[in-house]
Amino acid sequence: NAGVTQTPKFQVLKTGQSMTLQCAQDMNHNSMYWYRQDPGMGLRLIYYSASEGTTDKGEVPNGYNVSRLNKREFSLRLESAAPSQTSVYFCASTIRSSYNEQFFGPGTRLTVL
Amino acid sequence: KQEVTQIPAALSVPEGENLVLNCSFTDSAIYNLQWFRQDPGKGLTSLLLIQSSQREQTSGRLNASLDKSSGRSTLYIAASQPGDSATYLCAVSLRAQKLVFGQGTRLTINP
Repeated sequence: NAGVTQTPKFQVLKTGQSMTLQCAQDMNHNSMYWYRQDPGMGLRLIYYSASEGTTDKGEVPNGYNVSRLNKREFSLRLESAAPSQTSVYFCASTIRSSYNEQFFGPGTRLTVL
Repeated sequence: KQEVTQIPAALSVPEGENLVLNCSFTDSAIYNLQWFRQDPGKGLTSLLLIQSSQREQTSGRLNASLDKSSGRSTLYIAASQPGDSATYLCAVSLRAQKLVFGQGTRLTINP
């Protein structure tokens, strides 16, 4: 059981470039999440997918798009990267309900120059 | 809007001491509260989950309590060790499993 995996681990982009962060889980979880972590701001929810086929905005969705490709995979896309998107991005998953704990991936450290 | 606060932001104690980390939240309408550990440059590891109907949870040297009515949780670490050095985050669970995080307490245990 790998749990929640994320690729890449590190990425450097120039302003205006695009990229997709990949996330996969092998725990048969229904719900998946994308968070960003910034110094002094804590972790903030970008987008989430409560179940396969659904996605919803979180607290800071501007500049991002997501795709729930199947039950296992949830990707985050930056169409035109900006320096303000420099952050550490975490993917998480949970089995279904708000009563269950969330499991986190190791993170992707993104720098936008 | 739910807000989660952790005090202190940083804490340094000698090895062997018992210590308490604090977490407070503004809206008592939560499903659960989760404590995480984060090592530098790493992801989050779940330590304890307390359901809204529970008062406390224990795992080894860790004990977490929850007082939903007053909007407070504490994480008690007994007999601290240098390996406990990390940032500890609390998060409350809202509808649709969304988590709201505190900013964390950076804990250093000195040998």
